Amino acid sequence: EPEVTQTPSHQVTQMGQEVILRCVPISNHLYFYWYRQILGQKVEFLVSFYNNEISEKSEIFDDQFSVERPDGSNFTLKIRSTKLEDSAMYFCASSAPGQGARGNEQFFGPGTRLTVL
Amino acid sequence: QKEVEQDPGPLSVPEGAIVSLNCTYSNSAFQYFMWYRQYSRKGPELLMYTYSSGNKEDGRFTAQVDKSSKYISLFIRDSQPSDSATYLCAMNQAGTALIFGKGTTLSVSS
Repeated sequence: EPEVTQTPSHQVTQMGQEVILRCVPISNHLYFYWYRQILGQKVEFLVSFYNNEISEKSEIFDDQFSVERPDGSNFTLKIRSTKLEDSAMYFCASSAPGQGARGNEQFFGPGTRLTVL
Repeated sequence: QKEVEQDPGPLSVPEGAIVSLNCTYSNSAFQYFMWYRQYSRKGPELLMYTYSSGNKEDGRFTAQVDKSSKYISLFIRDSQPSDSATYLCAMNQAGTALIFGKGTTLSVSS
């Protein structure tokens, strides 16, 4: 069964460094998302991406964050200058185009655990 | 008032029990309601998906949505130790960000 994949599974970085988290969405999906989950807290929306542009973003997604679809398969999240509070699990999700309910299902990857020291 | 509220538990039941998990929400514009299962340090796995009010059954799982009460439920029949996980409710309007509950941790003992 097709699935969303993410690399790396765990990233450790120093405060102030740039990190890039990578995702390969399900191949026929056209909507892409990033969420994060700080340990013990809710899964929180960061950004959605469709047709090579951001379609929605949350207050968390400030100028330190950017997303890109550099080729036909990858979807990346860049954090320009990491802070301690960026430590979290970052999940990529994708959904298929379509009418009504079927096109709205979002499928999540296994996540990248980001640790900022 | 928080948008989506979910009792975090933990909830402990014996194998074979019927489990009831619930969420309440405040935004009447939500149309799509989902239940995800999350094992420790893993990604959320989509379990059930419901549009608007009503019931949906899939094997041992039944999802119910009552939009008039802004209340959704997930029932697990004949619970198994492998059902032990955190269950997240999530909801949205079409094509928008999912809003998650905090998750309920379920433990099923054999």
